[in-house]
Amino acid sequence: DAGVIQSPRHEVTEMGQEVTLRCKPISGHNSLFWYRQTMMRGLELLIYFNNNVPIDDSGMPEDRFSAKMPNASFSTLKIQPSEPRDSAVYFCASSHGQGGQPQHFGDGTRLSIL
Amino acid sequence: EDKVVQSPLSLVVHEGDTVTLNCSYEVTNFRSLLWYKQEKKAPTFLFMLTSSGIEKKSGRLSSILDKKELFSILNITATQTGDSAIYLCAVPGGTSYGKLTFGQGTILTVHP
Repeated sequence: DAGVIQSPRHEVTEMGQEVTLRCKPISGHNSLFWYRQTMMRGLELLIYFNNNVPIDDSGMPEDRFSAKMPNASFSTLKIQPSEPRDSAVYFCASSHGQGGQPQHFGDGTRLSIL
Repeated sequence: EDKVVQSPLSLVVHEGDTVTLNCSYEVTNFRSLLWYKQEKKAPTFLFMLTSSGIEKKSGRLSSILDKKELFSILNITATQTGDSAIYLCAVPGGTSYGKLTFGQGTILTVHP
């Protein structure tokens, strides 16, 4: 079975540019999560969806970040405008239900903002 | 606010050693505790613990939960270089159940 698929794997862009990260969850999973990982702050949840509806976006750092889930098989995380402090590895994960079940992670997008 | 604290933050051992990694937590309305292993890429799921005192085991890895003292340990026996990774502990939120709060992780390095 295919796991969680993220694209791109790496992104390098200049500050001020728009960045769009993409995620395809595991088929049949109804919860999707976006995380950011840095050395300083570890793994932080940005937002999660259940049945395509955003449930908790309290981790989204500011208005420059937005996430959508137009259908059960696709989600995007957008940063506009991007800043150097957004540089991190962004993970997408999916799971069954929303009650703390094991989450399955994609390989991440390594984002570098110059 | 939910809190997960892991110790030690890093550990260096030699092949064949046994290691114990610690995770303490504070969360309202505890549901479960999860352990993940992260090598070069994505965290991969190891164990989910819901009941105190019941050991979960997978090969050389085992884990147990103490809900009274609010902690869990992850044991790795006869360590191998392939066990080198970051080990993460996480708990679901007390009110926002899907929201996993992760500890800062333990970086384990196993030398030949």
